[in-house]
Amino acid sequence: GNSVTQMEGPVTLSEEAFLTINCTYTATGYPSLFWYVQYPGEGLQLLLKATKADDKGSNKGFEATYRKETTSFHLEKGSVQVSDSAVYFCALSDRSGGNEKLTFGTGTRLTIIP
Amino acid sequence: GAVVSQHPSRVICKSGTSVKIECRSLDFQATTMFWYRQFPKQSLMLMATSNEGSKATYEQGVEKDKFLINHASLTLSTLTVTSAHPEDSSFYICSARDSPNYEQYFGPGTRLTVT
Repeated sequence: GNSVTQMEGPVTLSEEAFLTINCTYTATGYPSLFWYVQYPGEGLQLLLKATKADDKGSNKGFEATYRKETTSFHLEKGSVQVSDSAVYFCALSDRSGGNEKLTFGTGTRLTIIP
Repeated sequence: GAVVSQHPSRVICKSGTSVKIECRSLDFQATTMFWYRQFPKQSLMLMATSNEGSKATYEQGVEKDKFLINHASLTLSTLTVTSAHPEDSSFYICSARDSPNYEQYFGPGTRLTVT
């Protein structure tokens, strides 16, 4: 079956530090890949996505590249801010069987210190 | 943007009772809604998928008689946990989408505690 593995948290960084959150996946076929962010007290929000190999998703300074050869979709940001503190989920969607399902990683809690 | 609400945000119930959780799409029509369950420090696990006007499709291992899902309108889906037990205590999250090609929009979740 499909699975997503992401680095365990929590991750604590100083403001303006470089961020990488690793994500690897196992899937049959050609899934789409996503990063969701959950701010305190809010629902998950789509941060970025990539639908095919070598695509790069980007939003709010975050980037992730769909790497089929390494089955990875690592999240990066060059200079984090305190407002980036949240839980980040890597996910994939599988449209096999005609019904799109999301499979999530366990989430990584990120805390940015001023 | 698309907004999905859940009610209540927190609920405490006694073992053996039933509790209903509502999921509403506030500014779009949700042809499909999803219900997830999240345990502490674990990922969201899909419980079931519901399409408006039809029966929900449950994931393997999810008891359909315990977790009753109704998607009676294009803006409302409900999850009823029947005869709740302490092991049903969890964080329940719904999502909704208006087309097979569009993203899922997530509600803020409902924390259920069964005592």
